[in-house]
Amino acid sequence: NAGVTQTPKFQVLKTGQSMTLQCAQDMNHEYMSWYRQDPGMGLRLIHYSVGAGITDQGEVPNGYNVSRSTTEDFPLRLLSAAPSQTSVYFCASGLNTEAFFGQGTRLTVV
Amino acid sequence: AQSVTQLDSQVPVFEEAPVELRCNYSSSVSVYLFWYVQYPNQGLQLLLKYLSGSTLVKGINGFEAEFNKSQTSFHLRKPSVHISDTAEYFCAVRRPLQGAQKLVFGQGTRLTINP
Repeated sequence: NAGVTQTPKFQVLKTGQSMTLQCAQDMNHEYMSWYRQDPGMGLRLIHYSVGAGITDQGEVPNGYNVSRSTTEDFPLRLLSAAPSQTSVYFCASGLNTEAFFGQGTRLTVV
Repeated sequence: AQSVTQLDSQVPVFEEAPVELRCNYSSSVSVYLFWYVQYPNQGLQLLLKYLSGSTLVKGINGFEAEFNKSQTSFHLRKPSVHISDTAEYFCAVRRPLQGAQKLVFGQGTRLTINP
C-alpha cells in the first residue's frame, strides 16, 4: 500500500524560482488537501479539492496554485518562491471521516 | 469558523507515568474531533477520532480521549507512557458536512518521555 506519496522529500530553492510539489494517492479518495507546517502554528490549510476538476482556497493560499486533473494527483505549484514559504508541506487525501497524510516535503527558500 | 487551542506546547513526563494532553475547541456548530501523532521526520498518523456516540474514544497505542461538549474539550490521555511515545501531538476539528479536506489544527504539543 503506497497510500499518499509526496515528492521530493527535500528541496532548496532560490528566491523567485518556481517549482511543483507532487502528491499522488492510490486509494481513490475524492478529497485531497495541501497543508503547511510551521513551528508553533500547527498545520494550516493551503488549498483543497473535493474531486477532479474542483479546487478551492484554504486559510493561506497566497503564492500557491493547484489543479486536479485526475483523482490520483494533486500538485502544488509555487510560482515565485519567497523565504516566507520555507516550511514543511503535507499532502493529505481522505474519506468523509478520516484523512491520510503523506511523509511531507521540507522546502527551504534562500 | 472553528478554532483549536492546545493548552501546552511542551509536556515532559517520566516513563511509565500517566499523561494528559489538553485540547479545547471553538465552534458554533457540531464538529468531528481528531488526535494525530507525528513522530520525528514523519507524516501525521491518526490516533483516534470522535464522530458521534460514546464520549470516551479509544485509539491506537493505548491512548484514549474524552469529548466534553459543555467544556468544548477533547483531552488525550494515556495511563502509562513509553519512550516510544515521544512525538508531537495535534488536535484537529472539522465540520461533519465537510469532507476530510478541511481540518483545522491546533498548534501541537511536544511530548517528551524521560527515562
